[in-house]
Amino acid sequence: EAGVTQFPSHSVIEKGQTVTLRCDPISGHDNLYWYRRVMGKEIKFLLHFVKESKQDESGMPNNRFLAERTGGTYSTLKVQPAELEDSGVYFCASSQGATLLETQYFGPGTRLLVL
Amino acid sequence: AQSVTQLGSHVSVSEGALVLLRCNYSSSVPPYLFWYVQYPNQGLQLLLKYTSAATLVKGINGFEAEFKKSETSFHLTKPSAHMSDAAEYFCAVSEASGAGSYQLTFGKGTKLSVIP
Repeated sequence: EAGVTQFPSHSVIEKGQTVTLRCDPISGHDNLYWYRRVMGKEIKFLLHFVKESKQDESGMPNNRFLAERTGGTYSTLKVQPAELEDSGVYFCASSQGATLLETQYFGPGTRLLVL
Repeated sequence: AQSVTQLGSHVSVSEGALVLLRCNYSSSVPPYLFWYVQYPNQGLQLLLKYTSAATLVKGINGFEAEFKKSETSFHLTKPSAHMSDAAEYFCAVSEASGAGSYQLTFGKGTKLSVIP
């Protein structure tokens, strides 16, 4: 069974440009999460999809970030325009259910560097 | 909101020595706790999780963790370190964020180095 995959693995862009990150969850997982780790800080929650619906986007930093999950399969996270402070590692995770006990399976992350 | 503190951003142990990675949590309700490991250039992999069934939880690769409510701790241990254990380890607590959503709150991570 394929795990969570993310594309690209690395991205280097200039301030003001747009970047789109993609996440493919484990097949059959309705729940998809985005997290971010800024250098030296904790991994922090960004948002949670259940199928194609945003269940919770309370962790999104600001309106420069737009997440979508059309059709309830893969998800994209767009940053437009990118700022220096957006640099970090963006993780995607998926789970079958959504409970306190549920294991979230993580992808390898996308390392974003904004210059 | 719950929080997780991992003491020591870097820990070095000799090969064959005991591994002890510390995690303390702050929670007003019984917590559900996780340890994840990230090997270089890989994603986070679940090592083990505490779900209140037993206070001593055994995970993969010989790791285990003990939940101590009185100390609000969930330290990760392994009796004998292997070179392959060199990685970054994250402690996390699961919490409800409202509207039927759940999220993990992570500690800052501890990088484990194993010295031959």
